Amino acid sequence: DAKTTQPTSMDCAEGRAANLPCNHSTISGNEYVYWYRQIHSQGPQYIIHGLKNNETNEMASLIITEDRKSSTLILPHATLRDTAVYYCIVLNRDDKIIFGKGTRLHILP
Amino acid sequence: DTEVTQTPKHLVMGMTNKKSLKCEQHMGHRAMYWYKQKAKKPPELMFVYSYEKLSINESVPSRFSPECPNSSLLNLHLHALQPEDSALYLCASSRQSPPRQETQYFGPGTRLLVL
Repeated sequence: DAKTTQPTSMDCAEGRAANLPCNHSTISGNEYVYWYRQIHSQGPQYIIHGLKNNETNEMASLIITEDRKSSTLILPHATLRDTAVYYCIVLNRDDKIIFGKGTRLHILP
Repeated sequence: DTEVTQTPKHLVMGMTNKKSLKCEQHMGHRAMYWYKQKAKKPPELMFVYSYEKLSINESVPSRFSPECPNSSLLNLHLHALQPEDSALYLCASSRQSPPRQETQYFGPGTRLLVL
């Protein structure tokens, strides 16, 4: 079973920041938080991952709470092309990826 | 080059046919994966190859037969499939396999329809 809980769907206006939450209250100390997204009819795409510290790359920022029981993926300036299903995944270095149901993000023009 | 390619993009086959799906990557990754994704569901892991050897089989029926001829290629041979096997089949690769999970790079998938 997936170790994360995400909202089923979210809307965000184009040009605004999209903040996608994820709860992972049973996360253990050596488990990473990964985010992937899947645009319609395409394969999943890696976005970002982190362990304890906040992370930023060219696609997004990942904010992990101090107790590590939740995190937020931030797309700073959402575009229509960011419409996708976003998967939050918790795994340690020995785990296989288990995808949960994800959040269906709709970017509205 | 961070691309995983899959062929064909679409495949229609009858229940008595034999067909193969192909996957290729040139990133020097030593782990390759097959996933199955039904409509409106998340991807589910089927097989993992590590250094060209099958390391994980997620209790997949024998009508699906994976093959890894070399470190860049991964095949999925299909025989006597059922209509419920219709799905998007995704290939992925990573630098190393579990243990030591690494970021996976996915191909675009092959959309399979079994009639």
